Order: sequence, then C-alpha cells, then structure tokens
Amino acid sequence: ETGVTQTPRHLVMGMTNKKSLKCEQHLGHNAMYWYKQSAKKPLELMFVYNFKEQTENNSVPSRFSPECPNSSHLFLHLHTLQPEDSALYLCASSQFGSGDFTNEKLFFGSGTQLSVL
Amino acid sequence: DAKTTQPPSMDCAEGRAANLPCNHSTISGNEYVYWYRQIHSQGPQYIIHGLKNNETNEMASLIITEDRKSSTLILPHATLRDTAVYYCIVRVAWTSYDKVIFGPGTSLSVIP
Repeated sequence: ETGVTQTPRHLVMGMTNKKSLKCEQHLGHNAMYWYKQSAKKPLELMFVYNFKEQTENNSVPSRFSPECPNSSHLFLHLHTLQPEDSALYLCASSQFGSGDFTNEKLFFGSGTQLSVL
Repeated sequence: DAKTTQPPSMDCAEGRAANLPCNHSTISGNEYVYWYRQIHSQGPQYIIHGLKNNETNEMASLIITEDRKSSTLILPHATLRDTAVYYCIVRVAWTSYDKVIFGPGTSLSVIP
C-alpha cells in the first residue's frame, strides 16, 4: 500500500465513450502527476499539478482532460479516445519544498489498465 | 536533467547478488541518483537514492563512483519477486515539483 489509490483498476471503453480515472492520495503531498505507459514503452509524463495548479502539460492531446479539485484528488477525464490510447495510466504524488530535498520522492498508485475498442 | 544509460536486460540467479549498473556521465554536482523499480503492471516503487556516498537500506545498496559518473544498484540476495524493470534517474537540483523522467530501464529476470 503506497498511500496512492487509483480507480478503476481496469477500464474498457469505446471510442465514443466518456469516462474518468480517479486518483486519491492519503499522504498529505502537494504535487500530483499523471503518467502513461504504453505496452513495452517507458513511462511518459502527461500532467503535473502543484498545489492544485497545473504546472506541466507534456503536449497531451485535448481528448485527455485533467482535473485537480484539491491537493488530495486528481482526475483524468477521457473522451473520444483512440485505440492507440490503450495503456496503463499511473498516478503519483510527492511532497516538495519541505526543506529536505532527499525525501522528495514519487509514490505511485497501482494504475488503471485502459483498453479502447 | 542529466541523461542516464542502463543495459536493457540482465539475468541473475536466485539467491545471488544482482548488480545493476547505470551511467550518468553528465550529472551535475547537486543532482541526486535515484532508483525505482516496476513490477509487471504495477506502479514504480522507490528503492534508494544517493548524492556521492554509498547508501544502504532494507531493500538495496547504492554504490556511486568517486567521479559520480556512474553507479551500481545492488540487490544482495535476489529473489524471484525482484524480477522487475529497474530505473536509474538523475534528478534536477531543485524544482517546485518533481518532474521525473523515466528511461527504458533495465529488465531484471531472477532465475530459479
């Protein structure tokens, strides 16, 4: 148990569907992240939220829409996805600015395995 | 961020030490070396990090060369559950958030 919970664990959706991925962290962290991992590829950073403000959008298509209502929750809204968007979507959180740089490390959830048909 | 290079795959016999190398020849003086691992279809897990001294925790040891251009992660007694992809990452000195970029890593297979 990492303290970062993602739901659902698996999701199958059609290209015309709208769905959302949810992430919740119970660690009191101030930064949250979405990563995408396609089959046999490295993790790709998608979005970063810092104190609920989006500070990084790594050229992600607009069919992926993140939302961070508070520092503990992060959503990824999905609409009109393509089959190539099928991947493992991972959420992570971290605490920065504590004055102890060495403890600023990422905690990941178990991910949502998404299949787009 | 400094770039790291790792071998794409390695095998290790169960019960033996697994030594995973990483090159980071362009590392800056205030950048740390971090190691994570990812077991199949799970999120990556933090293992260990260091600046210039060798480090050890309950999971592994980290050996950093004196010139800091390379490091080795050591799993002292590898088990089948250590089969995973291991990522070596060099972090920027300080940012307002942790923009960690993962490379392809090393796929370690622990063999019975």
